[in-house]
Amino acid sequence: NAGVMQNPRHLVRRRGQEARLRCSPMKGHSHVYWYRQLPEEGLKFMVYLQKENIIDESGMPKERFSAEFPKEGPSILRIQQVVRGDSAAYFCASSPTGKAGGGFSYEQYFGPGTRLTVT
Amino acid sequence: AQTVTQSQPEMSVQEAETVTLSCTYDTSESNYYLFWYKQPPSRQMILVIRQEAYKQQNATENRFSVNFQKAAKSFSLKISDSQLGDTAMYFCAFMKQGGSEKLVFGKGTKLTVNP
Repeated sequence: NAGVMQNPRHLVRRRGQEARLRCSPMKGHSHVYWYRQLPEEGLKFMVYLQKENIIDESGMPKERFSAEFPKEGPSILRIQQVVRGDSAAYFCASSPTGKAGGGFSYEQYFGPGTRLTVT
Repeated sequence: AQTVTQSQPEMSVQEAETVTLSCTYDTSESNYYLFWYKQPPSRQMILVIRQEAYKQQNATENRFSVNFQKAAKSFSLKISDSQLGDTAMYFCAFMKQGGSEKLVFGKGTKLTVNP
């Protein structure tokens, strides 16, 4: 079972450009979380999505940031008109729906992250 | 809102010795989960251990164990027989049961295991 996949692993954008970060959850997982890690900081929650629904976007900046998780395909985190302060590592995590075989259903499995650099 | 505090920005330990990383949290919730994640230089987040708040027994995973003090809102991680591969950032995290189940992380402790 492949793990959570994120691409690209590294992304360089100039100020004002758009950044698109992709996340493919583990097979069978329908919950996706996005977190941002600034240098020397812990991860900060951004948004929680289920297929075709945004469940909680309380951590997402109100402007320039959006996220989607379509019925088919990966989850996308989009940052429009990037600024230097957007430079960070962006992590995606997925979790299963309900209890699988009696196991812990809330565990989040993390992808390797996308490091965004804005020049 | 929940907060997680890790008061030790950096720690070091000799190989084969034991080290304890501290974590305190603030919440008014009764039902929640606590986690320790490891982030090695590769930056991959790896779950080390988890604790359900309703369980009184401290969780253990091989060389890793926790000291969970619910009344004191403390959740420390003990690493026994430290190995060079344990060198990493360690993050304590809180998850409220129910709701969106997002993780709230501390700022991390950088652990270096010396040969």
